[in-house]
Amino acid sequence: ETGVTQTPRHLVMGMTNKKSLKCEQHLGHNAMYWYKQSAKKPLELMFVYSLEERVENNSVPSRFSPECPNSSHLFLHLHTLQPEDSALYLCASSQAHTDRRTDTQYFGPGTRLTVL
Amino acid sequence: QKEVEQNSGPLSVPEGAIASLNCTYSDRGSQSFFWYRQYSGKSPELIMFIYSNGDKEDGRFTAQLNKASQYVSLLIRDSQPSDSATYLCAAQTFGNEKLTFGTGTRLTIIP
Repeated sequence: ETGVTQTPRHLVMGMTNKKSLKCEQHLGHNAMYWYKQSAKKPLELMFVYSLEERVENNSVPSRFSPECPNSSHLFLHLHTLQPEDSALYLCASSQAHTDRRTDTQYFGPGTRLTVL
Repeated sequence: QKEVEQNSGPLSVPEGAIASLNCTYSDRGSQSFFWYRQYSGKSPELIMFIYSNGDKEDGRFTAQLNKASQYVSLLIRDSQPSDSATYLCAAQTFGNEKLTFGTGTRLTIIP
């Protein structure tokens, strides 16, 4: 257990569905992240929230919509996804330090998403 | 394109031997480097990080950083079957939360 939880762990959805992924961190961190992990590809950073403000969006399609209501919770709202969006979605959190050399990210268990 | 490159493997090492995992990075602005271990179907878990040139040891693990050669490595001594996993290398630029990951090296320890 890393102190980062994600629900649901598995999700199957149709292309017209709307669903949300939830992440919660119990580590007192001030930054949270969404990553996508597809087979044989590097982990892809999707969104970064630092102090509850979105600081990076790596040109992610608008069918993915993040929400960070407070420093402990992060959501990823999904709408009209495509089959190629099937992947493992990982949430992570970190504590941004002054020197930024040791901003270690701790990952949740992930949500395995399948889009039919 | 800022990249982190790893040999995808699989790398097979006999039990008890030293496993050596390598990583190169293209962005000279990268300051900190992280090694994560990921078991099949699980999420990445941090093994260790390094940001100073040289070696850093933690138990059976040693991370090595050579900024001049833009090279990071992870040595695992006395390899155990439980070390069989995919090892991810990640680089971070100073003052930036973003981690750039490699594709990972799959390591198999042969009993």
